[in-house]
Amino acid sequence: NAGVMQNPRHLVRRRGQEARLRCSPMKGHSHVYWYRQLPEEGLKFMVYLQKENIIDESGMPKERFSAEFPKEGPSILRIQQVVRGDSAAYFCASSPDRGRETQYFGPGTRLLVL
Amino acid sequence: AQSVTQLDSHVSVSEGTPVLLRCNYSSSYSPSLFWYVQHPNKGLQLLLKYTSAATLVKGINGFEAEFKKSETSFHLTKPSAHMSDAAEYFCVVTNYNQGGKLIFGQGTELSVKP
Repeated sequence: NAGVMQNPRHLVRRRGQEARLRCSPMKGHSHVYWYRQLPEEGLKFMVYLQKENIIDESGMPKERFSAEFPKEGPSILRIQQVVRGDSAAYFCASSPDRGRETQYFGPGTRLLVL
Repeated sequence: AQSVTQLDSHVSVSEGTPVLLRCNYSSSYSPSLFWYVQHPNKGLQLLLKYTSAATLVKGINGFEAEFKKSETSFHLTKPSAHMSDAAEYFCVVTNYNQGGKLIFGQGTELSVKP
């Protein structure tokens, strides 16, 4: 059973470009969470999605950031017009149910904005 | 509101000596608590979790943690450190009635000296 997959693992963008980060949850998992880890900090919750629905986006910046989890395909975290402050590691986690199930993390995407 | 405080940003031990990583939490509800480990440039791996069952929780690689409600603590211990234990450790709290998003501590970097 493959784990949570994220790609790309490393992404370099220039200021003003768009970044698209992909997350494929574990097989059988229908819940996806995105977290951001800024340098020298712990992880901060961004958004929680189920298939075709955003459940909680209380941690998402109000502008330039969006997320989706379509019926088919991976979850996408999209950052428009990136700025240097967006440089961070972005982690995706999945769980099979929002009950008392553990979240399993992917390896992360490390975004560097030049 | 929920929060986690990891009392030490860095802990250094000698190989073969005990490890203690301290964590205090704050939660308005019955919390679920976790310890995750992150090796350099890697994703997060679950060490152990507490979800209102036994207060002494055993995890992987010889780690364990004790939930103490009166002290609002969930300290991580290991009797004998190994060089491979050197990593960043995160204490995490959540409440599934609040959507299940994880709240991370700032992390404790564990160094193991030969």
